[in-house]
This record gives sequence, C-alpha cells and structure tokens, in this order.
Amino acid sequence: DAGITQSPRHKVTETGTPVTLRCHQTENHRYMYWYRQDPGHGLRLIHYSYGVKDTDKGEVSDGYSVSRSKTEDFLLTLESATSSQTSVYFCAISPGTSYEQYFGPGTRLTVT
Amino acid sequence: AQSVTQPDIHITVSEGASLELRCNYSYGATPYLFWYVQSPGQGLQLLLKYFSGDTLVQGIKGFEAEFKRSQSSFNLRKPSVHWSDAAEYFCAVGTDKLIFGTGTRLQVFP
Repeated sequence: DAGITQSPRHKVTETGTPVTLRCHQTENHRYMYWYRQDPGHGLRLIHYSYGVKDTDKGEVSDGYSVSRSKTEDFLLTLESATSSQTSVYFCAISPGTSYEQYFGPGTRLTVT
Repeated sequence: AQSVTQPDIHITVSEGASLELRCNYSYGATPYLFWYVQSPGQGLQLLLKYFSGDTLVQGIKGFEAEFKRSQSSFNLRKPSVHWSDAAEYFCAVGTDKLIFGTGTRLQVFP
C-alpha cells in the first residue's frame, strides 16, 4: 500500500469553528488531492496540488482552502465549518506519470 | 460535459456467479480509465487501469475490464464472485484529475 496517512481519522466539531485535516505521504509523489465522499455523489474533488505551493480548485472548493509547503504534506482547512461539510474526506496521491491515484484511509468529519 | 455513469446502484449476486459492473463515460479526449474498490470504512483501492493497447485488461483479485470505444464503456467483470468481493466499486476516468462515478454496491449471497 502507498504510504499515505490522514489525521485525524475522526473529528466532531461545532458549526463556525475552523478545522484542519492533514494528509502525509512518504512516496514523494508530485500530485496530491482532497476529495469528499457523500452518499449518492461518489467522490468529488475539492482541491489538488501539482507540487509545493502549487494548488488549484476542484469542483466543490467553496468553503475550503489548502496549503502545501512540503512535498509530503497537504493540508485541507475548513475556515468556518458548516453542517453541509459533514462528510468523509479522502486524500489521494499520484506520481503523475500514469495518473493512477492512491488513497488514504479517510477522515470522518461531523459538524454539529 | 465530462461525466461517468454507473447505472447500477446496487447489485446482488450469489457466490460463485459471474459479475459484470457497468461504466459509461463522456470525455473529450482519450482518458485513462480506472476501477477502484472500497470496503466499508476503508479508502479506495485500485483494481485496474487502461489507457492504450489491449482493450481487455487484467487487474488484481481476479477482476478484468474491457474498454469499448464505440460504446464509451469500461465494464468490470469477474467470472466467479467470492463473498469477500462484497464492497462498493467505483469507475473513474481522466488524466491528472479524475472524475468518479457514483458507485455500485455489490452484495454477495452465500
């Protein structure tokens, strides 16, 4: 399995609080991605990164920001959490050469 | 518009029966095509991928998929299903960014 960890694995937070999720990889892959998974929607791309300090928006980026200051870490921040952001969040990495993505174990976030 | 359709939300098969999960896509250029599997509470695991060459590709766990350009399809198959194959299966297409289908949940009866 690709070396990808996500922290925390579970989090409950209140509406309006900031939340940061961390993705850490040991594969030195160039590309990193954040997705959210909701029933009936499959996986939807939130933000992605092609390298250090090189990030861009996905299809559901409103309310989320990201940062990548090191190759191995990709942070997802919910500036002010809302109940609609209750979801399971997955990080993925890709070497970028053949485009397969490898997924982390996920973070289950509940916003009350 | 780019999209992936998995028409079957839920499929139930008996152990030992054959399986085919459908995937249709709409994409401007020739994309890479992938199938992933997700067990409950787990991340997604790559089963197989296709970009070019032989249109029948073999993957892990005894799965295979066939690319049919004329039908814009990339269906996943397995000749004999095992109880451990019960999971959710996702088709994805794209290159540096992937578009995922909404998934097909497979239930296996003994």
